[in-house]
This record gives sequence, structure tokens and C-alpha cells, in this order.
Amino acid sequence: AQSVAQPEDQVNVAEGNPLTVKCTYSVSGNPYLFWYVQYPNRGLQFLLKYITGDNLVKGSYGFEAEFNKSQTSFHLKKPSALVSDSALYFCAVRDFTQTGANNLFFGTGTRLTVIP
Amino acid sequence: GAGVSQSPSNKVTEKGKDVELRCDPISGHTALYWYRQSLGQGLEFLIYFQGNSAPDKSGLPSDRFSAERTGGSVSTLTIQRTQQEDSAVYLCASSPTSGSGNEQFFGPGTRLTVL
Repeated sequence: AQSVAQPEDQVNVAEGNPLTVKCTYSVSGNPYLFWYVQYPNRGLQFLLKYITGDNLVKGSYGFEAEFNKSQTSFHLKKPSALVSDSALYFCAVRDFTQTGANNLFFGTGTRLTVIP
Repeated sequence: GAGVSQSPSNKVTEKGKDVELRCDPISGHTALYWYRQSLGQGLEFLIYFQGNSAPDKSGLPSDRFSAERTGGSVSTLTIQRTQQEDSAVYLCASSPTSGSGNEQFFGPGTRLTVL
């Protein structure tokens, strides 16, 4: 079975401060991990993904995420938050060792609010 | 280039009516997905198409839900005899191949409201 947990429904951070949006996952095999962002009245936009290789993945808009296999986590981070980063963030996982596992399993989302 | 487009952007219908939601994937993308996003919940997988293969329908919540993909491009999601619990945003996504490391490109969604 595959699942994703985003333990925080809401994260507030002051502009200019570092931000972290947490994600933990559960798969029976090996994961592909993704972060997406959703702005109001917009579809999801891809931010970054972990497939293999370096555990630290860099993506769009200055975001990065670190794959931690022992903690089964893939937290999203940014060194300095912008007000424009305020949005809904989704973590997703796919178990690439499972045949027929075609879809992504998404977390319930974390709403990030950056306070000016 | 053009992204994934969906129509209509909003649909209000009465309980018991049928609705059709349309998705135009990115040209050349062979994989197409439908998801449902309910208020306060994550995305729920509905159905997946890959080329000419039989679709993966494992996420469809009931037999009132069906989908087609004609000519390997445009897809239509049909909900028959709509119920109030069907109210949600329906998102379509496409990706270049079925390779599981490929990111999916999402459309803006169709907001369905069943009165």
C-alpha cells in the first residue's frame, strides 16, 4: 500500500524566514516522490521530484527537498520565504517497483501562508 | 506551449442529472489521468489512460462514473445521476509517457456543484 502524510494543515512563516513543509510517505517498495503547488483557482504545478541519486533535490522558485529514507520523509524547504509563496502544497508518492501503480498518491495538502 | 485544458471551468447541475467533463491533454502526451479534489481533502485518483491500453479504472468510486479517451487524445469523464457528494473539483493531468518517474501536468480543473 502507498500513502502520504502531511501532518500540518497550515504553516505560517514570516517573509524572509526559512520555511519547511513536512511530508512522510509509506510504500512497500521504492518511492518516486513529488511536490506540487496549487495557487488559488489554478491547477497543480510541479515543483520538484526525487527519482534516484542525490538526496537533496532542487526545484522551481528556489524550493528544495531532501529525501530521507530512514525517516521516510521528503520535506519541502526554502531558505527565504516570499509572500508569493503563499499557496497549497501537495506531496505525492508513487511506488515504482509495483507494476500497474500508474497513479500518484497525494497527501491532503498544507496551506502555506507567508506573512509580510 | 499549450498546457492541459479542461472544460467547462464551472458546472452547476441538479441532483440526478448527467454531466460530461472534458480534458484536452498536452499534444503528444500518451498518459492521461483524472483526479477528484474534494474540499479539505487531497487528490483522489479516478482513472488512468495510457495509449491504446485498457484504462486503469481502479479509482472510480461507483458505476455512475465512466471515462473515455478518443483517438488517444481528448478525454471525457461522465458522471451519471449526479449526487451531492459528487461536488468537487475534477482535475485532469497528462504526462509524456507512462514512465513512473515522469511528472504529471495538470489542467485548471472543473468545479462541479450538484444542487
